[in-house]
Amino acid sequence: KAGVTQTPRYLIKTRGQQVTLSCSPISGHRSVSWYQQTPGQGLQFLFEYFSETQRNKGNFPGRFSGRQFSNSRSEMNVSTLELGDSALYLCASNFIPGLGTQEQFFGPGTRLTVL
Amino acid sequence: KQEVTQIPAALSVPEGENLVLNCSFTDSAIYNLQWFRQDPGKGLTSLLLIQSSQREQTSGRLNASLDKSSGRSTLYIAASQPGDSATYLCAVGGYQGGSEKLVFGKGTKLTVNP
Repeated sequence: KAGVTQTPRYLIKTRGQQVTLSCSPISGHRSVSWYQQTPGQGLQFLFEYFSETQRNKGNFPGRFSGRQFSNSRSEMNVSTLELGDSALYLCASNFIPGLGTQEQFFGPGTRLTVL
Repeated sequence: KQEVTQIPAALSVPEGENLVLNCSFTDSAIYNLQWFRQDPGKGLTSLLLIQSSQREQTSGRLNASLDKSSGRSTLYIAASQPGDSATYLCAVGGYQGGSEKLVFGKGTKLTVNP
């Protein structure tokens, strides 16, 4: 069974631009969550989606948004990029929702660099 | 607010040594605790998941324990190998402030020297 896939794997953008990252969960998984990982802050939760609905949201500004499609694939969007948005963005999936209660399966991440 | 701490931040050991990584958390009202491995620039690989009702889990050379009352977990790696070199993260799952949360520590970077 294929794992969680994320595209693209690497992105370079400039300040003020916007970016869209994509995540395809493990086949049959319907819950997708997103995380930001930086050297200073570590791994921080962005949001969780299940059945095309946002279930949980972390403490990030409104520039960070996401959505989930009927096939469970998810996208996250960051608008008006800032230098501090440079990070590894990780996606995780599970069959059922439960950010704090279910085992999470992670993808390889998208490395975003903002110049 | 749940806080997860991992000590030490980095650890270097010779091949073959048995070692213990530590994880502590401030709120004992958790659902589970999960240990992950992360190779440089890569995603997270789940190693072990311990439910709040369990005391330990084992997988191969890995053994993880959980003591909810003291807010501690340990990951024991037996007979370490150079391939074990990676950053090890622990994450605590729970329900706080009206929503579910998965809170990560900042990890322990392990180097196993041949």
